[in-house]
Amino acid sequence: QKEVEQNSGPLSVPEGAIASLNCTYSDRGSQSFFWYRQYSGKSPELIMFIYSNGDKEDGRFTAQLNKASQYVSLLIRDSQPSDSATYLCAVNNNAGNMLTFGGGTRLMVKP
Amino acid sequence: GAGVSQSPSNKVTEKGKDVELRCDPISGHTALYWYRQSLGQGLEFLIYFQGNSAPDKSGLPSDRFSAERTGGSVSTLTIQRTQQEDSAVYLCASSLAGLAGTDTQYFGPGTRLTVL
Repeated sequence: QKEVEQNSGPLSVPEGAIASLNCTYSDRGSQSFFWYRQYSGKSPELIMFIYSNGDKEDGRFTAQLNKASQYVSLLIRDSQPSDSATYLCAVNNNAGNMLTFGGGTRLMVKP
Repeated sequence: GAGVSQSPSNKVTEKGKDVELRCDPISGHTALYWYRQSLGQGLEFLIYFQGNSAPDKSGLPSDRFSAERTGGSVSTLTIQRTQQEDSAVYLCASSLAGLAGTDTQYFGPGTRLTVL
């Protein structure tokens, strides 16, 4: 079992819809959770991080964390074609400072 | 201020040659990380530097890989006797303090390495 799992997609949503991206992780000691966006041929850029259970909102983005279920998600409201990218979930655990990444979910927002 | 910079942006080399990849972290960031991303794959941790502490080398795939960080700033990742499976994008990231579980990593543009 991979340490951080994401559905590879592609996830296709129409413009203006809500995109829901999901991630599960195996290490219960994980402390912090990050969502990165990666456009094709580019490096990952940070969208949000979340440390505590519950929801965290930033503009059109909401991260949701449920440590009991070992589940973290990213909601993108009013999806735009420019949101089309691969979204990487990353987890930082107690063992060290490196991030463990999921394989990414490719999101396609269709006009 | 300036972000993480990496050089070269692209490197093509022949199998068996050594290569050096450079990373210049964000000014003031004490932690520096190397990852690699193979085609269609997720990011794989390689090595982590925090200040003057001994680096965490737990992700290095073989003894052909090494890295150093001089003066607590610039880092060089060296791959000796390159193999075709080393072909990947090598990404460097830095963070402010490297505090476990609470720090945000910012990535550079990467170096695309192709081993022929």
